[in-house]
Amino acid sequence: AQSVTQLDSHVSVSEGTPVLLRCNYSSSYSPSLFWYVQHPNKGLQLLLKYTSAATLVKGINGFEAEFKKSETSFHLTKPSAHMSDAAEYFCVVRPRDDKIIFGKGTRLHILP
Amino acid sequence: DAGVIQSPRHEVTEMGQEVTLRCKPISGHDYLFWYRQTMMRGLELLIYFNNNVPIDDSGMPEDRFSAKMPNASFSTLKIQPSEPRDSAVYFCASSLSYRGSYEQYFGPGTRLTVT
Repeated sequence: AQSVTQLDSHVSVSEGTPVLLRCNYSSSYSPSLFWYVQHPNKGLQLLLKYTSAATLVKGINGFEAEFKKSETSFHLTKPSAHMSDAAEYFCVVRPRDDKIIFGKGTRLHILP
Repeated sequence: DAGVIQSPRHEVTEMGQEVTLRCKPISGHDYLFWYRQTMMRGLELLIYFNNNVPIDDSGMPEDRFSAKMPNASFSTLKIQPSEPRDSAVYFCASSLSYRGSYEQYFGPGTRLTVT
């Protein structure tokens, strides 16, 4: 069965330090993978996507993610957190022949 | 492009009343999705359309919920009668293609409160 697991429901980092949000997926085929961000009281916005091209994907606002097939992971990273990064982040799997699957989300807190 | 447009942004209604949420997808997108987001259940896909035709409504919680897409530029989600447990944020999203790498574009959501 297809699934996506975001390993942390909450992550807290200090401003200026690196961010790591973890995502693991299960899919029978090579899926498309996405990260979305949701700021408070806003809709979801696409951060980046992987579609079987380069395994390291760069997104908006300095975020990037690396697709690791052997680990079935698609972790989101950013070298230096900014206060404006405080939001909820969703990892999304779109298997080739199945429904889109959203992770339960990781709330990122930025400490001053 | 203006993006996905939803109205109203906020709706407060009393239990038993009919509620209609509206969505205008991005022009040219042939898929439209309705989601519900709550603290308890997270983001849930309710129903999606392809070329105005409902494809999968297995996420619709019960018969009180119905959705229509009379044309390519307009969709409604109706709850009749509404109940307090329907309180949530409802999102509409559209995309160029469901099966593939095309991402979904989300509207700002409608926050529904049923008292």
